[in-house]
Amino acid sequence: TQLLEQSPQFLSIQEGENLTVYCNSSSVFSSLQWYRQEPGEGPVLLVTVVTGGEVKKLKRLTFQFGDARKDSSLHITAAQPGDTGLYLCAGAGNGNKLVFGAGTILRVKS
Amino acid sequence: DTAVSQTPKYLVTQMGNDKSIKCEQNLGHDTMYWYKQDSKKFLKIMFSYNNKELIINETVPNRFSPKSPDKAHLNLHINSLELGDSAVYFCASSQGSATQYFGPGTRLLVL
Repeated sequence: TQLLEQSPQFLSIQEGENLTVYCNSSSVFSSLQWYRQEPGEGPVLLVTVVTGGEVKKLKRLTFQFGDARKDSSLHITAAQPGDTGLYLCAGAGNGNKLVFGAGTILRVKS
Repeated sequence: DTAVSQTPKYLVTQMGNDKSIKCEQNLGHDTMYWYKQDSKKFLKIMFSYNNKELIINETVPNRFSPKSPDKAHLNLHINSLELGDSAVYFCASSQGSATQYFGPGTRLLVL
């Protein structure tokens, strides 16, 4: 069974601080996706990383896929209150199956 | 137009009842999914259909029965509801193994 461990589970920071969320597994994934979910809504895809060592940037968000395609990180620079939400990593396993991490609840205080 | 829609958004019912939730996607995708998100926000796949054919069936109690009348619709019927079925159920769709697009969720509360 493929598992993704996501940490931290909760993160409460001040506006302007930097943060990093991690997803780790002992399994290799063909790709890894990061989603953001707001209260009362479904997850929305932020990025997909496919190649080992790949780095993708989305404004203040930087996503990295580990060289062995077993881990990934999401780094947010100068967090803003609008970044508040639930962040989920998901690894693409067998077939179309996505394996989700447990999620990181981020709260950015102004 | 909403890409992936689900009805109802909220469902409150008594233990032992049978209920259905519905999903429709207008993206022209060939694959649809049902996920369950528990109170700790953990999202787990339940079922997946590709062109009306069941391709993923996780270890879900057989009280849960998905049905796909056509590739734009995927419904979930739940028999003999239990307290532990309370959760948010998300429908999603994709074209093959590409990006999955999620619906807004159905919040089920079993009393």
